[in-house]
Amino acid sequence: EVQLVQSGAEVKKPGATVKISCKVSGYTFTDYFIHWVQQAPGKGLEWMGLVDPGDGETLYAGKFQGRVTISADTSIDTAYMEVSSLRSQDPAVYYCARSEGREGAFDVWGQGTVVTVSS
Amino acid sequence: QSVLTQPPSASGTPGQRVTISCSGSDSNLGSNPVNWYQHLPGTAPKLLIYRSTQRPSGVPDRFSGSKSGTSASLAISGLQSEDEADYYCASWDDSLNGPVVFGGGTKLTVL
Repeated sequence: EVQLVQSGAEVKKPGATVKISCKVSGYTFTDYFIHWVQQAPGKGLEWMGLVDPGDGETLYAGKFQGRVTISADTSIDTAYMEVSSLRSQDPAVYYCARSEGREGAFDVWGQGTVVTVSS
Repeated sequence: QSVLTQPPSASGTPGQRVTISCSGSDSNLGSNPVNWYQHLPGTAPKLLIYRSTQRPSGVPDRFSGSKSGTSASLAISGLQSEDEADYYCASWDDSLNGPVVFGGGTKLTVL
């Protein structure tokens, strides 16, 4: 069974950094792209960026460029998404999802990770 | 404001057919396929339609998708109570908006 299992909920202070993991199983990690999607409270889904685990290439949405870092560790079949300098608009649920091609549909999603920013 | 435009809400009674629209531009729907996702609160989004008209295995044939030019639609026939959810369209975008853009989502209520 294909699964994307994300790390647990995080509570961080403003200005801190959070790093969320997405461990995959049931398929060859390097055969699919991993995307990250944000859902802020009361808002819709917003694409953040992607990583190609095959070669480590990344692509970011303009809004997140510079403050978000997406990576992949093929030795443990895990993708990561790091948000630095957390601020008040960053609390959200963050999802990882896979696609067969860079432009493909997101056919399997992680369960989501809740990030709370509180002083 | 989302790059792809969806109505914020839709509703129908059990058994009815409802459609949800998604409007874009030349750089996204005009040149790329659309994907549709169903999202129930507290759960992971689920792929409903890919490449505009294709259903993944396991998705009932009550769900169908279409695309023409810069617009797309998701149709749900034989509406059921468990269809009450948020629905999102998404597409690749070739402009600076992208590269992946979502609609703002449509909250479907089954009356």
